[in-house]
Amino acid sequence: KNQVEQSPQSLIILEGKNCTLQCNYTVSPFSNLRWYKQDTGRGPVSLTIMTFSENTKSNGRYTATLDADTKQSSLHITASQLSDSASYICVVSLEGTFGNEKLTFGTGTRLTIIP
Amino acid sequence: EAQVTQNPRYLITVTGKKLTVTCSQNMNHEYMSWYRQDPGLGLRQIYYSMNVEVTDKGDVPEGYKVSRKEKRNFPLILESPSPNQTSLYFCASTSGGALNEQFFGPGTRLTVL
Repeated sequence: KNQVEQSPQSLIILEGKNCTLQCNYTVSPFSNLRWYKQDTGRGPVSLTIMTFSENTKSNGRYTATLDADTKQSSLHITASQLSDSASYICVVSLEGTFGNEKLTFGTGTRLTIIP
Repeated sequence: EAQVTQNPRYLITVTGKKLTVTCSQNMNHEYMSWYRQDPGLGLRQIYYSMNVEVTDKGDVPEGYKVSRKEKRNFPLILESPSPNQTSLYFCASTSGGALNEQFFGPGTRLTVL
């Protein structure tokens, strides 16, 4: 069964600190892995998308890594800001034709930044 | 501004009263989807559409209908809502290209009493 598991479920850190969120998946055949940021009451917004051949991708203070062999990904946030408080969702895409691409969503990590 | 819009943003209704949630995108995308998000569960796909007049079931289609008469619009229809359809609903539009990036609407919070 294709699954995406994220840890921790929730995390509280002080403003300015770094943190790392984890994602393990069993989706196969794998196409790409995405990290989304979802603010409370809003729709998810894409942070990074990585194919199996990429092992790291950055978007400002967000850096995602991917190990396709162990089927693990992480999202590292540097110098956290209050605006980073959100849920972070890992999404893995099953290989398929365009328009019929099958996405498996994790349940997210709820990150809270405190001043 | 490129965006996906949904209306209404909040809706409280009663069991059995038909309702429609509208979704519109201005990016000329062919592929659109509807998802529901429930506590403790990842987003689950309800229906998707690959183009005008082409729709298909996702993972949890029971109790829902969709239509795609125009490229920009993809309404979600609940013919006879039930309390188990109380959820947060998202419409998404997908770009072309190798990565098929998804753009999500702001969400519609539906409560069925």
